[in-house]
Amino acid sequence: EPEVTQTPSHQVTQMGQEVILRCVPISNHLYFYWYRQILGQKVEFLVSFYNNEISEKSEIFDDQFSVERPDGSNFTLKIRSTKLEDSAMYFCASREGQDYGYTFGSGTRLTVV
Amino acid sequence: KNQVEQSPQSLIILEGKNCTLQCNYTVSPFSNLRWYKQDTGRGPVSLTIMTFSENTKSNGRYTATLDADTKQSSLHITASQLSDSASYICVVSRTGGSYIPTFGRGTSLIVHP
Repeated sequence: EPEVTQTPSHQVTQMGQEVILRCVPISNHLYFYWYRQILGQKVEFLVSFYNNEISEKSEIFDDQFSVERPDGSNFTLKIRSTKLEDSAMYFCASREGQDYGYTFGSGTRLTVV
Repeated sequence: KNQVEQSPQSLIILEGKNCTLQCNYTVSPFSNLRWYKQDTGRGPVSLTIMTFSENTKSNGRYTATLDADTKQSSLHITASQLSDSASYICVVSRTGGSYIPTFGRGTSLIVHP
């Protein structure tokens, strides 16, 4: 069964550093997303991406964050100048269309120290 | 405001027993409701999807119900297994406007031998 692949599975970074989280969505999917989940809390929407541009973003997704689809397969989330409160699981998801369910990746656990 | 409330917050049952998880929502206009299973440290995995006209849908030992009039859904797990221990998340989508669904906080289920 097709999977969404995320790397790395765990990243530790110092406060103020930049991190790039990587995702390979399912190949025939058109919509791509980043979500995050702070430990013990619910899954929160960050950003959606379609047709090579951001289609929606949440209040969380401020100027510190950016997304890119540099080629036909990768989808990245960049966090500039990380803060302690950015520590969370970051999930990439993709779906074939707006009415389809998400396929989530296994997540990247980001720890900011 | 679009909200999804789940109960109970956590549940402990013995292996082999049945259980029912609840989801109440205020998302409008309603499009569909999905139940996801999230194992610890993993991304959510879709269990069922229900649209407005569907009352019941099964996926193996999982049976979801939907009452669109009262805006309630339940997930019934039959003959629980140790591997059912996970967080179960109710996710509701609306039609029109934002296509980003609303996530519940999840019910944490622990199945003991």
